[in-house]
Amino acid sequence: DAGVIQSPRHEVTEMGQEVTLRCKPISGHDYLFWYRQTMMRGLELLIYFNNNVPIDDSGMPEDRFSAKMPNASFSTLKIQPSEPRDSAVYFCASSPGGLAGYTFGSGTRLTVV
Amino acid sequence: AQSVSQHNHHVILSEAASLELGCNYSYGGTVNLFWYVQYPGQHLQLLLKYFSGDPLVKGIKGFEAEFIKSKFSFNLRKPSVQWSDTAEYFCAVAVYSGGGADGLTFGKGTHLIIQP
Repeated sequence: DAGVIQSPRHEVTEMGQEVTLRCKPISGHDYLFWYRQTMMRGLELLIYFNNNVPIDDSGMPEDRFSAKMPNASFSTLKIQPSEPRDSAVYFCASSPGGLAGYTFGSGTRLTVV
Repeated sequence: AQSVSQHNHHVILSEAASLELGCNYSYGGTVNLFWYVQYPGQHLQLLLKYFSGDPLVKGIKGFEAEFIKSKFSFNLRKPSVQWSDTAEYFCAVAVYSGGGADGLTFGKGTHLIIQP
């Protein structure tokens, strides 16, 4: 299996632009998680899905952030409009549930200038 | 809500030294516990996990951790570190949800530097 695949690896955008981050979970994993990593706040859970349905989005910082999972093999995290304080590394992770744990993708390093 | 505390933000050791990184969590119920490692510029990789059973858990690369329920602790240990162990280490907890999966709550991380 190729693991959790995220794209792009790096994204540099100007303030006010829309940014879309993408994630392909491991096939058969029913759970998908989006995390954000910054120096100040560490790793924060933004939202997670179970069978494509959002279960907990309490970590989404504000209305500028939205996440979707249209099918079992694809999820997006969108920021519109982007701001410099959104600069971070965004990780996607998936899990089959139970005792298997979580597998993380390589992350997307977002820089908003 | 649960929280995770890692007491050492930066640790510097010489090669062959023994390592112990502290981790405490706060949650009154059943939890699943994890240690992840993040090498510079890379994603998180699972070192080990505890779900139930033997509280002494062995992971990859010679790491182990001990779950002490009475102390709400899950400290990571390695008897002899190597230069290649230089990385960021994260302790994480997930509330036990039967056959499901809950989101992970991470500690702030410990930056470990091993000097040759």
